[in-house]
Amino acid sequence: DAKTTQPTSMDCAEGRAANLPCNHSTISGNEYVYWYRQIHSQGPQYIIHGLKNNETNEMASLIITEDRKSSTLILPHATLRDTAVYYCIVRVEQGAQKLVFGQGTRLTINP
Amino acid sequence: ETGVTQTPRHLVMGMTNKKSLKCEQHLGHNAMYWYKQSAKKPLELMFVYSLEERVENNSVPSRFSPECPNSSHLFLHLHTLQPEDSALYLCASSQDLWIGYGYTFGSGTRLTVV
Repeated sequence: DAKTTQPTSMDCAEGRAANLPCNHSTISGNEYVYWYRQIHSQGPQYIIHGLKNNETNEMASLIITEDRKSSTLILPHATLRDTAVYYCIVRVEQGAQKLVFGQGTRLTINP
Repeated sequence: ETGVTQTPRHLVMGMTNKKSLKCEQHLGHNAMYWYKQSAKKPLELMFVYSLEERVENNSVPSRFSPECPNSSHLFLHLHTLQPEDSALYLCASSQDLWIGYGYTFGSGTRLTVV
């Protein structure tokens, strides 16, 4: 799996957009970018994934740069319930690779 | 509830005890996983099952013994644990083995070994 680099922690005001960056400069052509989050004392929750086009669902948007070396997860209107650790993971979509979680970014939404 | 149910939520056990953690999913998923999350450490994959067959054992000590009697249930049998085994144990499932998206995790069992 390609290595990802994320900031250790970030803060965001409630109601504002939270933009979480992830660097994955060694990503391979067939590897996707996945985002999961883990709210305190719960299991991780799948958010979104993408290959090269920007993706949007009811939870978030994923912006992947044209060279695919970095991406940004956007929570458009952050709420207090979005406070969590966010994990950026790079791997193939289907294949004998583990889903490996790094340290992630601890996002705190402030009132 | 996420669709993956883990029991118990909390467990305190002595080092000589034998206990079991239970995981249940009715999502129709074919793959199930056990992860361990120690304090201030990333999640560690322990075991992987696909259609009730174990396909991965990540060098986990034999004091942890998984069991998958059917595609909806997964157990983790514990015996003679050490205090350093205290952690959050998470069960997850996915539609198929080794896909990257759509893992569904349970809320975990918080295990304390005394």
